[in-house]
Amino acid sequence: QMQLQESGPGLVKPSETLSLTCTVSGGSMSNYYWSWIRQPPGKGLEWIGYIFYRGSINYKPSLKSRVTISVDTSKNQFSLKLSSVTAADTAIYYCARDRPADGPGVPFDHWGQGTLVTVSS
Amino acid sequence: DFQLTQSPSSLSASVGDRVTLTCRASQYISTYLNWFQQKPGKAPKVLIYAASTLQSGVPSRFSGSGSGTDFSLTISSLQPEDFATYYCQQNYITPWTFGQGTKVE
Repeated sequence: QMQLQESGPGLVKPSETLSLTCTVSGGSMSNYYWSWIRQPPGKGLEWIGYIFYRGSINYKPSLKSRVTISVDTSKNQFSLKLSSVTAADTAIYYCARDRPADGPGVPFDHWGQGTLVTVSS
Repeated sequence: DFQLTQSPSSLSASVGDRVTLTCRASQYISTYLNWFQQKPGKAPKVLIYAASTLQSGVPSRFSGSGSGTDFSLTISSLQPEDFATYYCQQNYITPWTFGQGTKVE
Protein backbone atom coordinates (compact mmCIF):
# COMPACT_ATOMS: atom_id res chain seq x y z
CA GLN A 1 0.00 0.00 0.00
CA MET A 2 1.63 3.19 -1.19
CA GLN A 3 1.75 6.06 1.27
CA LEU A 4 2.85 9.66 0.90
CA GLN A 5 3.83 11.87 3.80
CA GLU A 6 4.54 15.59 3.72
CA SER A 7 7.03 17.09 6.16
CA GLY A 8 8.37 20.56 6.85
CA PRO A 9 7.84 23.67 8.93
CA GLY A 10 4.27 24.65 9.70
CA LEU A 11 5.13 28.32 10.10
CA VAL A 12 7.08 30.46 7.66
CA LYS A 13 7.79 34.18 7.90
CA PRO A 14 6.75 36.53 5.09
CA SER A 15 9.38 36.93 2.35
CA GLU A 16 11.08 33.68 3.36
CA THR A 17 11.09 30.32 1.56
CA LEU A 18 8.62 27.55 2.25
CA SER A 19 10.24 24.10 2.05
CA LEU A 20 8.38 20.80 2.12
CA THR A 21 9.36 17.21 1.42
CA CYS A 22 7.13 14.33 0.40
CA THR A 23 8.32 10.84 1.30
CA VAL A 24 6.89 7.98 -0.75
CA SER A 25 6.71 4.57 0.88
CA GLY A 26 5.30 1.23 -0.18
CA GLY A 27 6.22 1.67 -3.82
CA SER A 28 8.62 3.09 -6.35
CA MET A 29 8.63 6.58 -7.82
CA SER A 30 9.64 5.20 -11.19
CA ASN A 31 7.54 5.90 -14.27
CA TYR A 32 5.24 8.36 -12.57
CA TYR A 33 4.74 12.09 -12.35
CA TRP A 34 4.49 13.55 -8.85
CA SER A 35 2.59 16.72 -7.98
CA TRP A 36 2.22 19.36 -5.33
CA ILE A 37 -1.26 20.80 -4.76
CA ARG A 38 -2.38 23.34 -2.21
CA GLN A 39 -5.65 24.41 -0.63
CA PRO A 40 -6.09 27.67 1.29
CA PRO A 41 -8.21 27.12 4.39
CA GLY A 42 -11.86 26.82 3.41
CA LYS A 43 -11.11 27.24 -0.30
CA GLY A 44 -10.53 25.14 -3.41
CA LEU A 45 -7.61 23.16 -4.78
CA GLU A 46 -4.72 24.65 -6.73
CA TRP A 47 -2.16 22.61 -8.65
CA ILE A 48 1.37 23.93 -8.13
CA GLY A 49 3.44 21.69 -10.37
CA TYR A 50 4.75 18.22 -11.06
CA ILE A 51 8.02 16.44 -11.51
CA PHE A 52 8.79 13.27 -13.39
CA TYR A 53 10.94 10.75 -11.54
CA ARG A 54 13.70 11.42 -14.03
CA GLY A 55 13.51 15.13 -13.30
CA SER A 56 11.46 16.89 -15.98
CA ILE A 57 9.26 19.55 -14.45
CA ASN A 58 6.11 21.55 -15.14
CA TYR A 59 4.98 24.47 -12.99
CA LYS A 60 1.84 26.56 -12.85
CA PRO A 61 2.84 29.69 -14.76
CA SER A 62 1.62 32.14 -12.13
CA LEU A 63 3.88 30.48 -9.54
CA LYS A 64 6.77 29.56 -11.79
CA SER A 65 9.03 32.43 -10.74
CA ARG A 66 8.88 31.33 -7.09
CA VAL A 67 8.60 27.53 -7.26
CA THR A 68 11.21 24.80 -7.36
CA ILE A 69 10.29 21.12 -7.32
CA SER A 70 13.03 18.52 -7.10
CA VAL A 71 13.27 14.75 -6.72
CA ASP A 72 15.60 12.35 -4.94
CA THR A 73 14.68 8.87 -6.12
CA SER A 74 17.38 7.30 -3.93
CA LYS A 75 15.40 8.47 -0.92
CA ASN A 76 11.98 8.10 -2.56
CA GLN A 77 11.33 11.77 -1.94
CA PHE A 78 10.35 14.87 -3.85
CA SER A 79 10.40 18.40 -2.55
CA LEU A 80 8.79 21.80 -2.93
CA LYS A 81 10.36 25.18 -2.39
CA LEU A 82 8.28 28.34 -2.67
CA SER A 83 10.16 31.59 -2.25
CA SER A 84 9.11 35.08 -1.19
CA VAL A 85 5.99 33.82 0.53
CA THR A 86 3.13 36.04 1.64
CA ALA A 87 -0.02 35.43 3.63
CA ALA A 88 -1.68 34.38 0.38
CA ASP A 89 0.52 31.27 0.39
CA THR A 90 -1.02 30.05 3.65
CA ALA A 91 -2.59 26.73 2.76
CA ILE A 92 -2.71 23.01 3.27
CA TYR A 93 -0.04 21.58 0.99
CA TYR A 94 -0.58 18.12 -0.46
CA CYS A 95 1.75 15.88 -2.37
CA ALA A 96 0.21 13.35 -4.72
CA ARG A 97 1.04 10.75 -7.33
CA ASP A 98 -0.01 12.46 -10.55
CA ARG A 99 -0.17 9.94 -13.38
CA PRO A 100 1.86 7.21 -15.04
CA ALA A 101 4.34 8.22 -17.73
CA ASP A 102 3.57 5.33 -20.06
CA GLY A 103 -0.02 5.89 -21.05
CA PRO A 104 -3.39 6.48 -19.44
CA GLY A 105 -3.88 5.54 -15.84
CA VAL A 106 -5.59 6.69 -12.71
CA PRO A 107 -4.62 10.28 -11.97
CA PHE A 108 -4.02 11.45 -8.43
CA ASP A 109 -4.70 8.04 -6.94
CA HIS A 110 -2.43 8.52 -3.93
CA TRP A 111 -2.22 11.63 -1.73
CA GLY A 112 -0.43 12.65 1.39
CA GLN A 113 -2.54 13.69 4.34
CA GLY A 114 -1.62 17.33 3.79
CA THR A 115 0.30 19.75 5.94
CA LEU A 116 -0.84 23.22 6.93
CA VAL A 117 1.72 25.92 6.30
CA THR A 118 0.97 29.32 7.78
CA VAL A 119 2.80 32.42 6.61
CA SER A 120 3.02 34.86 9.47
CA SER A 121 5.57 36.92 11.32
CA ASP B 1 -5.48 28.59 -18.17
CA PHE B 2 -8.46 26.36 -18.68
CA GLN B 3 -11.31 27.32 -16.40
CA LEU B 4 -13.61 24.71 -14.93
CA THR B 5 -16.94 25.98 -13.64
CA GLN B 6 -18.92 23.72 -11.35
CA SER B 7 -22.59 24.10 -10.61
CA PRO B 8 -24.21 24.41 -8.28
CA SER B 9 -21.72 25.69 -5.68
CA SER B 10 -23.71 23.88 -3.04
CA LEU B 11 -26.80 21.78 -2.89
CA SER B 12 -29.02 20.43 -0.18
CA ALA B 13 -30.09 16.83 -0.60
CA SER B 14 -31.42 13.91 1.39
CA VAL B 15 -30.39 10.30 1.72
CA GLY B 16 -31.74 8.36 -1.22
CA ASP B 17 -31.84 11.36 -3.57
CA ARG B 18 -30.41 11.22 -7.08
CA VAL B 19 -27.88 14.03 -7.34
CA THR B 20 -26.23 15.44 -10.46
CA LEU B 21 -23.28 17.83 -10.38
CA THR B 22 -22.02 19.57 -13.47
CA CYS B 23 -18.65 20.85 -14.61
CA ARG B 24 -18.12 23.03 -17.66
CA ALA B 25 -14.73 23.63 -19.22
CA SER B 26 -13.84 26.93 -20.86
CA GLN B 27 -12.21 25.04 -23.73
CA TYR B 28 -12.31 21.59 -25.29
CA ILE B 29 -10.74 18.95 -23.03
CA SER B 30 -11.92 15.72 -24.69
CA THR B 31 -12.52 13.30 -21.80
CA TYR B 32 -9.57 14.43 -19.68
CA LEU B 33 -11.82 15.18 -16.75
CA ASN B 34 -11.64 13.69 -13.28
CA TRP B 35 -13.90 13.90 -10.24
CA PHE B 36 -12.74 13.98 -6.62
CA GLN B 37 -14.54 13.76 -3.31
CA GLN B 38 -13.15 15.61 -0.32
CA LYS B 39 -14.33 15.32 3.25
CA PRO B 40 -13.35 17.81 5.97
CA GLY B 41 -9.78 17.39 7.12
CA LYS B 42 -9.01 14.77 4.48
CA ALA B 43 -7.18 14.68 1.19
CA PRO B 44 -9.25 14.46 -1.98
CA LYS B 45 -10.10 11.01 -3.27
CA VAL B 46 -10.47 10.20 -6.95
CA LEU B 47 -13.90 8.82 -7.83
CA ILE B 48 -14.07 9.02 -11.62
CA TYR B 49 -11.30 9.53 -14.15
CA ALA B 50 -11.30 10.02 -17.89
CA ALA B 51 -14.81 11.45 -17.54
CA SER B 52 -16.57 8.13 -16.98
CA THR B 53 -14.23 5.47 -15.59
CA LEU B 54 -15.05 4.45 -12.04
CA GLN B 55 -11.99 4.17 -9.83
CA SER B 56 -11.49 0.78 -8.22
CA GLY B 57 -13.30 0.49 -4.90
CA VAL B 58 -15.68 3.38 -5.56
CA PRO B 59 -19.35 2.43 -5.19
CA SER B 60 -21.27 1.97 -8.40
CA ARG B 61 -23.81 4.61 -7.38
CA PHE B 62 -21.25 7.11 -8.65
CA SER B 63 -21.11 7.66 -12.40
CA GLY B 64 -19.62 10.22 -14.72
CA SER B 65 -20.40 11.33 -18.23
CA GLY B 66 -19.55 13.96 -20.79
CA SER B 67 -16.90 14.97 -23.26
CA GLY B 68 -15.62 18.12 -24.86
CA THR B 69 -16.68 20.88 -22.50
CA ASP B 70 -19.66 19.57 -20.52
CA PHE B 71 -19.44 16.92 -17.84
CA SER B 72 -21.51 15.58 -15.02
CA LEU B 73 -21.17 13.44 -11.93
CA THR B 74 -24.25 11.57 -10.76
CA ILE B 75 -24.87 9.88 -7.45
CA SER B 76 -27.80 7.58 -8.05
CA SER B 77 -28.89 7.22 -4.42
CA LEU B 78 -27.18 9.51 -1.96
CA GLN B 79 -25.79 7.79 1.12
CA PRO B 80 -24.84 9.41 4.45
CA GLU B 81 -21.14 9.03 3.69
CA ASP B 82 -21.55 10.96 0.41
CA PHE B 83 -22.05 14.34 2.08
CA ALA B 84 -18.83 16.05 1.04
CA THR B 85 -17.36 18.52 -1.42
CA TYR B 86 -16.81 17.38 -4.99
CA TYR B 87 -14.23 18.80 -7.37
CA CYS B 88 -13.72 18.30 -11.08
CA GLN B 89 -10.22 18.54 -12.50
CA GLN B 90 -8.82 18.58 -16.03
CA ASN B 91 -5.57 16.93 -17.06
CA TYR B 92 -5.85 17.69 -20.78
CA ILE B 93 -3.23 20.42 -20.72
CA THR B 94 -1.09 22.02 -18.07
CA PRO B 95 -1.53 23.83 -15.82
CA TRP B 96 -3.94 21.28 -14.42
CA THR B 97 -6.97 23.08 -13.05
CA PHE B 98 -9.73 22.28 -10.60
CA GLY B 99 -13.27 23.50 -10.45
CA GLN B 100 -14.27 25.58 -7.44
CA GLY B 101 -16.17 22.66 -5.90
CA THR B 102 -19.74 21.66 -5.12
CA LYS B 103 -20.65 21.05 -1.51
CA VAL B 104 -23.34 18.44 -1.01
CA GLU B 105 -25.05 19.00 2.33
